[in-house]
Amino acid sequence: QVQLQESGPGLVKPSQTLSLTCTVSGGSISSGDYYWSWIRQPPGKGLEWIGYIYYSGSTYYNPSLKSRVTISVDTSKNQFSLKLSSVTAADTAVYYCAREAGGRKEDYFDYWGQGTLVTVSS
Amino acid sequence: SSELTQDPAVSVALGQTVRITCQGDSLRSYYASWYQQKPGQAPVLVIYGKNNRPSGIPDRFSGSSSGNTASLTITGAQAEDEADYYCNSRDSSGNHLRVFGGGTKLTVL
Repeated sequence: QVQLQESGPGLVKPSQTLSLTCTVSGGSISSGDYYWSWIRQPPGKGLEWIGYIYYSGSTYYNPSLKSRVTISVDTSKNQFSLKLSSVTAADTAVYYCAREAGGRKEDYFDYWGQGTLVTVSS
Repeated sequence: SSELTQDPAVSVALGQTVRITCQGDSLRSYYASWYQQKPGQAPVLVIYGKNNRPSGIPDRFSGSSSGNTASLTITGAQAEDEADYYCNSRDSSGNHLRVFGGGTKLTVL
């Protein structure tokens, strides 16, 4: 059974960089069958896709966040990470990591982490 | 267009059938996937592709698509189905952007 677990600071100061790591267990992140995504959800609001990384290191980011986002992968640790720079209160959210399967006409997030709340506050 | 539109709230009587819809240009080219989210929990995939259910999802959940609209149908809604439901698909412009609908709050009466 694949499991994903987010980790990282729960409190970040404005203008600083938010850093989170997702550890994958029960499956290899190096499998070429999946993309590995970050998704966030502000309190009381809907889901927003941040971006994904492939095991090879290729990435795609949501254009709305592209200038501030970096997603990286460490296949030796079976982890992928998110960095979001210059954060403001608007970046306060529950951050989820998720595995994306499918391809061609269908993509879907079949496994999710439990989520971690990151609050941006001084 | 990179938008997926959902009704904010829908209600259904216990045991009845309810359809939750998702509209967007991208749905003419890509299938939607559907997620159930209960308070304080991570989203759970309930439908993907043409009409596929992951293991463990009850068969009262089904999906369909026509034109620019994808639908999630719950046949015989149960109290435990009360949750937020989100659709997701690719952006219609052919790039790699994934887009979520705004979500539908389902109330089971």
